[in-house]
Amino acid sequence: EPEVTQTPSHQVTQMGQEVILRCVPISNHLYFYWYRQILGQKVEFLVSFYNNEISEKSEIFDDQFSVERPDGSNFTLKIRSTKLEDSAMYFCASRRREGRGANVLTFGAGSRLTVL
Amino acid sequence: AQTVTQSQPEMSVQEAETVTLSCTYDTSENNYYLFWYKQPPSRQMILVIRQEAYKQQNATENRFSVNFQKAAKSFSLKISDSQLGDTAMYFCAFPSNTGKLIFGQGTTLQVKP
Repeated sequence: EPEVTQTPSHQVTQMGQEVILRCVPISNHLYFYWYRQILGQKVEFLVSFYNNEISEKSEIFDDQFSVERPDGSNFTLKIRSTKLEDSAMYFCASRRREGRGANVLTFGAGSRLTVL
Repeated sequence: AQTVTQSQPEMSVQEAETVTLSCTYDTSENNYYLFWYKQPPSRQMILVIRQEAYKQQNATENRFSVNFQKAAKSFSLKISDSQLGDTAMYFCAFPSNTGKLIFGQGTTLQVKP
């Protein structure tokens, strides 16, 4: 079964450092998402991406965050200068545009970010 | 505003028993989908079941079923014959009109042997 792949599974970084989280969505999917989950809390929407541009972003997704689809397969989330409160699990998700299951988001296994 | 509410932060059930997790939501949409996701200790998000609002019949996936009450905007998850592997956090989710999923706060379910 096709899956969304995320790397790294766990990254530890120092406060103020830049971090790039990578995702390879399912190949025929056209909508891409990043979500964040602070340990033990709800899953929060960060940003959605379609047709090579951001279609929606939350208030969490400030100027420190950016997303990119550099090569048509990878979908990256960059945090420019990490803060302690960025420590969380980051989930990438994707979905199709049309057809049965187009409304279903498939999630990656997550990238755990620890900021020290 | 579209919201999803799970009012049970934690629940427990004995192995082989049945448990029901509650979820309510608010929307002005008429045609939509609802989802339950499971998050085991590995923290992966796994789709458990989905319901299409225009279908009156409640969705069922093996031991998992839903009680969908559209007028009441209620979407509860029933787990029958609970197994130890069902121990996880369960999230109710609702897609907004822009396509993103809105999640409830989650219910942590502990299945006891």
